[in-house]
Amino acid sequence: KAGVTQTPRYLIKTRGQQVTLSCSPISGHRSVSWYQQTPGQGLQFLFEYFSETQRNKGNFPGRFSGRQFSNSRSEMNVSTLELGDSALYLCASSLLADETQYFGPGTRLLVL
Amino acid sequence: AQTVTQSQPEMSVQEAETVTLSCTYDTSESDYYLFWYKQPPSRQMILVIRQEAYKQQNATENRFSVNFQKAAKSFSLKISDSQLGDAAMYFCAYQNLANSKLTFGKGITLSVRP
Repeated sequence: KAGVTQTPRYLIKTRGQQVTLSCSPISGHRSVSWYQQTPGQGLQFLFEYFSETQRNKGNFPGRFSGRQFSNSRSEMNVSTLELGDSALYLCASSLLADETQYFGPGTRLLVL
Repeated sequence: AQTVTQSQPEMSVQEAETVTLSCTYDTSESDYYLFWYKQPPSRQMILVIRQEAYKQQNATENRFSVNFQKAAKSFSLKISDSQLGDAAMYFCAYQNLANSKLTFGKGITLSVRP
């Protein structure tokens, strides 16, 4: 079974721009969670979607948003990028909402 | 709020030897999951092992086993017969059954000496 895929793998943006990251979960998985990883803050939970509904949200500003489609694929969007948004963004999928999460390879975002 | 603490930032082990990585956590919940994830230089987060809090038996996966002490809120990972491919960052994580959010520790960098 194919694993979680994330696109793009690398991205360079400038301050003020917006970016959309995509995540395709493992086939059959209905829950998708997003995490931000930085050297300073470590791994932080962004949000989780299950059956197209946001179930949980972390402590991030409203510039960070996401959605999930009927095929369970998910996108996250960051508007008005700031230098501090430079990070590795990891997507994880699970069969159900409280099951083991399997991670994708991540998208590395650099904001200049 | 739940917290996960990994107090050792780095550890080193000789190839073929055994190493134990420590993790403590804090929660008021009685039912939850605990995980160890491995993150090699490729940055891909790989599941190593999972422990359900309601199970008294410690989880094992081949060379990886845990020592789960629920009362002490301690969850250590033992790697036996260490291999060069075990070199990576290891994260301890907590998951509340009420939601799927994973709370991670800061991680520990494990190096394996040939």
